Amino acid sequence: DQQVKQNSPSLSVQEGRISILNCDYTNSMFDYFLWYKKYPAEGPTFLISISSIKDKNEDGRFTVFLNKSAKHLSLHIVPSQPGDSAVYFCAASSSGNTGKLIFGQGTTLQVKP
Amino acid sequence: KAGVTQTPRYLIKTRGQQVTLSCSPISGHRSVSWYQQTPGQGLQFLFEYFSETQRNKGNFPGRFSGRQFSNSRSEMNVSTLELGDSALYLCASSLDPSPRETQYFGPGTRLLVL
Repeated sequence: DQQVKQNSPSLSVQEGRISILNCDYTNSMFDYFLWYKKYPAEGPTFLISISSIKDKNEDGRFTVFLNKSAKHLSLHIVPSQPGDSAVYFCAASSSGNTGKLIFGQGTTLQVKP
Repeated sequence: KAGVTQTPRYLIKTRGQQVTLSCSPISGHRSVSWYQQTPGQGLQFLFEYFSETQRNKGNFPGRFSGRQFSNSRSEMNVSTLELGDSALYLCASSLDPSPRETQYFGPGTRLLVL
């Protein structure tokens, strides 16, 4: 039972354009969401997070949107840069489950120069 | 501030052996979580430690165990290794176990079981 789903295994965009990565979840108890970026042979690097009491959080080129009614979140990267090419994971946690993140399967983003 | 460190980075073992992996959290972080990453299952939660106590555990067999020391460093142990245990084992630290505390990951230990 996959509680966090990233339905697009890969995404390719042109440098300078917007990248939109999507994530759906099924567990209504999730109340905190995070995005991580991962390069091969490295651990995930934290990018941005959002609490369920918000619907948007912005940090530089990265913006995360949360639609609780649809149980959907998205990560927007504007403008996309070749260095953004990596695997992006969305993750979720709930107040009743300490220290435990539930991860999606990841989306591989390729930004073409 | 130094990040999360994990040792060793790479390990080759044979079936039936046991292995111990080590994780040193970011200075000041007292919560440590462990994850297993495989191509088929993705990133899966193993367990979480805070104040030397295991506070949460994922759906893994009892062959997987861990502990945390008074300086917050953590070890995980896998006994009677199976081929399917080949994976990247990731450790993450946070200030405390609150779900709203961001977890920061180490580079991982790549375990290959032959």
